[in-house]
Parts: sequence; structure tokens; C-alpha cells
Amino acid sequence: TQLLEQSPQFLSIQEGENLTVYCNSSSVFSSLQWYRQEPGEGPVLLVTVVTGGEVKKLKRLTFQFGDARKDSSLHITAAQPGDTGLYLCAGDSGGSNYKLTFGKGTLLTVNP
Amino acid sequence: GAVVSQHPSRVICKSGTSVKIECRSLDFQATTMFWYRQFPKQSLMLMATSNEGSKATYEQGVEKDKFLINHASLTLSTLTVTSAHPEDSSFYICSASSVYEQYFGPGTRLTVT
Repeated sequence: TQLLEQSPQFLSIQEGENLTVYCNSSSVFSSLQWYRQEPGEGPVLLVTVVTGGEVKKLKRLTFQFGDARKDSSLHITAAQPGDTGLYLCAGDSGGSNYKLTFGKGTLLTVNP
Repeated sequence: GAVVSQHPSRVICKSGTSVKIECRSLDFQATTMFWYRQFPKQSLMLMATSNEGSKATYEQGVEKDKFLINHASLTLSTLTVTSAHPEDSSFYICSASSVYEQYFGPGTRLTVT
């Protein structure tokens, strides 16, 4: 069974601070996805990383896929209250069904 | 991105009744759909994988006779919670696969009284 260890589980910071969320595994993933979810809604796909060492930027969010495709990080610069939400990483092992393995999530609160 | 809808968004039912939740991929065909359950402030728990035209594959610990899944077409999968009990109250989310990405529906809040 593949596992994705996501940390930290909870994070409360002040507006303007930077933060990093980590997802680590002992398994190799063919791709890894990051989602953001707000209360009462479904997760929204932020980015998919596929290539080892890949770095993708989405405004103030920077996503990195480890060289060995076993880990990933999400870095947010100058966090804003609108960034508040549950961040989920999910890895695809490459099976024909595209079944995802989810991390436990990081509940981020950005205080004004 | 691809759009997935779910209906209803909220449902309240009495203990012992059955509830059907629909999941539709609106702008793409999804050979595979997934059903998840989520508890407050926690991650998603995969319940089953639904393939069009075949029986669903359930995760360990999920009762297939209680959570009936039907994937009758490439754009529609349904989850029926049979003989619902208060412990089945939860947030149920579906997703549909497009290439190597999954797109999620907005979720259904089920409350069993």
C-alpha cells in the first residue's frame, strides 16, 4: 500500500508570512497533484507535476516534484487570508484507473 | 478544467431509508469515476472505484451491499446509500478521471436523522 505523508497537518500563520507544505513517500509516483478545498466544497485541482525535479509556479504558489518522484512541496509566498483552506497532495502510481493516494491534508489558516 | 457535478448538494433523510447521489462529468467522458467520503477537517477516504459497464471495486472495509454504485454511462455514476443510519452521515464526493488527472464534484452533505 502506497502512503503519502503530508506535513504539517495544521498551520496557522499571519498574513504576509511564507509557508511550505511537504508530501513524502517511499514510493515512486508517475504524477502528483495538489488540490485546495474549502469547507463544504469539493477539492479544486491546483497543479499536476509529472517530471522529476519539475517546478511549477501559480502566482504566489510554487510546486516542486522531487527528483526521484517520491516527494513534493508546496510553497506559498506572502500568504493571504484567501489562501485559507485544506491543501491535499495526491499521488498517481500509474495504474490504468488513475487511482490516487491522498495525503492527510494540511489545514491552513491565514489570519489578517 | 473539466467540470463534474453532483446532485443533490445536501440531503436529509430518516434512518432506514435509502438515498441516491448522482455524479456527472459535464464536458468529458469518464471511463472511471471514484467515490470518496470525507469527515470534517480530514482528508478524503476512497470508498470505491467505478468503471463504466462493470462492477465497482470497493476499498477494504467498505460494505458493497450498503453503498451501491452504478456506472451506467461514460458521464454518470450513482452512489446509493441503502438503509441509511446516523453513522452514515458524512460528506460524499465523487471524482472523474481525465487522462491522468481527477476532477472532483462539489460534494453531497448527507445527514441521517
